Amino acid sequence: GAGVSQSPSNKVTEKGKDVELRCDPISGHTALYWYRQSLGQGLEFLIYFQGNSAPDKSGLPSDRFSAERTGGSVSTLTIQRTQQEDSAVYLCASSSWPADTQYFGPGTRLTVL
Amino acid sequence: RKEVEQDPGPFNVPEGATVAFNCTYSNSASQSFFWYRQDCRKEPKLLMSVYSSGNEDGRFTAQLNRASQYISLLIRDSKLSDSATYLCVSPWGGDNTDKLIFGTGTRLQVFP
Repeated sequence: GAGVSQSPSNKVTEKGKDVELRCDPISGHTALYWYRQSLGQGLEFLIYFQGNSAPDKSGLPSDRFSAERTGGSVSTLTIQRTQQEDSAVYLCASSSWPADTQYFGPGTRLTVL
Repeated sequence: RKEVEQDPGPFNVPEGATVAFNCTYSNSASQSFFWYRQDCRKEPKLLMSVYSSGNEDGRFTAQLNRASQYISLLIRDSKLSDSATYLCVSPWGGDNTDKLIFGTGTRLQVFP
């Protein structure tokens, strides 16, 4: 069946611009996670959605970062006024229930010039 | 203490060797654990789940030691294709029981 998809696969933007990254989770998965991975580094948790509950935003690095999940399915991660340190691979994962196996999308590679 | 801690490596081993990685976790209430594999410039993929004392799948064995709060991954008869980064994952059972915490990974390089 279809896995987690993300778009775009690559995004190059100029410092100060806003970007939107999209994640389409596996159908029926109630939990959705966003992570960030800089080159050669581990996964950095950003935000977590579970059903209709308020999202866990504890990992968002600044108020320039926000995310929403519409209709309990597709999620969009928005980064406003991008900075060079935002350059990383942004990974989305979904799971059928909390703390269960997470299935990752291929990621969006963001480069801020 | 970090929630999940791993030796970053790299572990450089010849083909056919047996190699083991350890991962320590801080939350004693955690019940289930995972090992994920991440190839270079790829997304992580589930390798094994560990729900009780251990799990074995072919050349791979994962063990859980609750008393010492660590899990291990043993790879026997290493193949070149085993070269990757192995991520240890533990649920965070604190204020939020729904989050998985990923270690920074242990890099394995198998050489001919």
